[in-house]
Amino acid sequence: QSALTQPPSASGSPGQSVTISCTGTSSDVGGYNYVSWYQQHPGKAPKLMIYEVTKRPSGVPDRFSGSKSGNTASLTVSGLQAEDEADYYCSSYAASNNLRLFGGGTKLTVL
Amino acid sequence: QVQLQESGPGLVKPSETLSLTCGVSGYSISSGYYWGWIRQPPGKGLEWIGSIYHSGSTYYNPSLKSRVTISVDTSKNQFSLKLSSVTAADTAVYYCVRHFVARDYFDYWGQGTLVTVSS
Repeated sequence: QSALTQPPSASGSPGQSVTISCTGTSSDVGGYNYVSWYQQHPGKAPKLMIYEVTKRPSGVPDRFSGSKSGNTASLTVSGLQAEDEADYYCSSYAASNNLRLFGGGTKLTVL
Repeated sequence: QVQLQESGPGLVKPSETLSLTCGVSGYSISSGYYWGWIRQPPGKGLEWIGSIYHSGSTYYNPSLKSRVTISVDTSKNQFSLKLSSVTAADTAVYYCVRHFVARDYFDYWGQGTLVTVSS
């Protein structure tokens, strides 16, 4: 099963909003509300930012939000801040083979 | 606070078996959740390897299943990864994670350990 598809890069200026997409199929992203998003700063472990498409763990700023339409999930970062510059990965459950898939990652640059 | 810490050799020879252990503190493995491994080749994305419950029930990535064994030792509050017949393609940072299977997300991560496959 192929990895989920993310754009390799995204960018925005401080204070702006940026949306990162994550495209799968009806067998993964489109079929289940089990999409999660992870933030990874260079040399650090990933950090859970969004789970079950729209939910934020305690401590994650409400500037981060998630959504889904059909086979594409999205992560929106509002009010961009310098510390938001990082790599972002989406993940989804895939029923075939009971697999957990990741996207290829998107490098977010704050201009 | 749940903390995970990977340990094991940083260098493995081709065709040999990679072995890593993840020690868990701040939470008893026997209390629930699945516990898993995720890897990231240098400069590349994340790949889920597999996850285990304290009972020993496992889920493996089909692409690695023939070479992977994940085990759990509840008495030591730790779990382990063995990956056999390694090649240079298995060179990666290996993370241990807590896996909430019912909602399918990874909420706690170890710091990661780089394993290089080279002779």
